[in-house]
Amino acid sequence: DTGVSQDPRHKITKRGQNVTFRCDPISEHNRLYWYRQTLGQGPEFLTYFQNEAQLEKSRLLSDRFSAERPKGSFSTLEIQRTEQGDSAMYLCASSLVSRAGEQYFGPGTRLTVT
Amino acid sequence: QKEVEQNSGPLSVPEGAIASLNCTYSDRVSQSFFWYRQYSGKSPELIMSIYSNGDKEDGRFTAQLNKASQYVSLLIRDSQPSDSATYLCAVNPNAGKSTFGDGTTLTVKP
Repeated sequence: DTGVSQDPRHKITKRGQNVTFRCDPISEHNRLYWYRQTLGQGPEFLTYFQNEAQLEKSRLLSDRFSAERPKGSFSTLEIQRTEQGDSAMYLCASSLVSRAGEQYFGPGTRLTVT
Repeated sequence: QKEVEQNSGPLSVPEGAIASLNCTYSDRVSQSFFWYRQYSGKSPELIMSIYSNGDKEDGRFTAQLNKASQYVSLLIRDSQPSDSATYLCAVNPNAGKSTFGDGTTLTVKP
């Protein structure tokens, strides 16, 4: 069991650029979650998938954010026209449907928007 | 009011002592509760889950749940310096997304 992996681990971009992050979940997990975390805060929910279906997206999430999980395996999170406020750690987690709260996190992608 | 509330700390205990971490939640229908440990610069790591009222023990960790009081706690016995981390409480009300508190930072002093 290789765990959840995320790529890249770090991303520095200029304001206004688009960025895309990738997450590979634990292979037998059919749930995949994206969270965002800033210093001193807990992870903030962004969206989650069950297989390839996106079941929920945070109401707070700007339409600049989009996520896909086209074949029910890996997922991508894209941020268009990045802003400095997007600077954060982007965390991916996966779980079994039957144990939805028992989520296993990847190492995260740290985004810095300059 | 935040959905999941934790004292931010920092909580400092001497090595060998019991550390007590507390969490309250607002959604009465919540059924599943979790504790994660997060070391500085790392991602959260699941350490305990609890679904029923009462206590659940796993090694040096004990989770306690009181649904009537909407309260969940984590006790760490025989605290070690390696337990120094931020502890996140999470609630998963509908078997979907989890809602996290902002964490309590624990320091165990040798």
